[in-house]
Amino acid sequence: GQQLNQSPQSMFIQEGEDVSMNCTSSSIFNTWLWYKQDPGEGPVLLIALYKAGELTSNGRLTAQFGITRKDSFLNISASIPSDVGIYFCAGQGLASGNQFYFGTGTSLTVIP
Amino acid sequence: DTEVTQTPKHLVMGMTNKKSLKCEQHMGHRAMYWYKQKAKKPPELMFVYSYEKLSINESVPSRFSPECPNSSLLNLHLHALQPEDSALYLCASSHRIGANVLTFGAGSRLTVL
Repeated sequence: GQQLNQSPQSMFIQEGEDVSMNCTSSSIFNTWLWYKQDPGEGPVLLIALYKAGELTSNGRLTAQFGITRKDSFLNISASIPSDVGIYFCAGQGLASGNQFYFGTGTSLTVIP
Repeated sequence: DTEVTQTPKHLVMGMTNKKSLKCEQHMGHRAMYWYKQKAKKPPELMFVYSYEKLSINESVPSRFSPECPNSSLLNLHLHALQPEDSALYLCASSHRIGANVLTFGAGSRLTVL
């Protein structure tokens, strides 16, 4: 299956700092999803994006669907300890047979 | 009910055992999925069911046998597994195949001894 490149692979930040991560693909996607996964749990949907250029917020989280349709970005503002976890992007499009394939993940550690 | 429920939460089995993982959703979703996830890696698609019929098998070894008895239930039957099959197995569902949101269960942590 396909895999999307996500960066950075890991981040260690101080509480209160802003966080940025991105996901890139060699293929065009029609949908981008961002999930957060806590250890031993399933991924929980944070934000869904359906249109190139779309910018969507969910509380302190903001995500954007890249204009080229080959990338997406997630920003977290004013991080707090409960933001700790692994963040995955997931892309869907014709190139993936309309199935979702996941990015390699960004592990976030927030230092109080 | 907006949940996908997976049982058991944890399973330990020997290589000669036969066991099953179960998944249930009552959101009226007609597509259900099994993903396998190794530690610190992304989920990898294994199987997709659409309207209770197997739609996609991502070249998964036959020691994993999926079953969809009805639109709400999805099973994964396990037999003669190897230690490298130890992983978190995630079930997900969506309104239909190709729908643009996936809802995941909490996963079943499988350990093969």
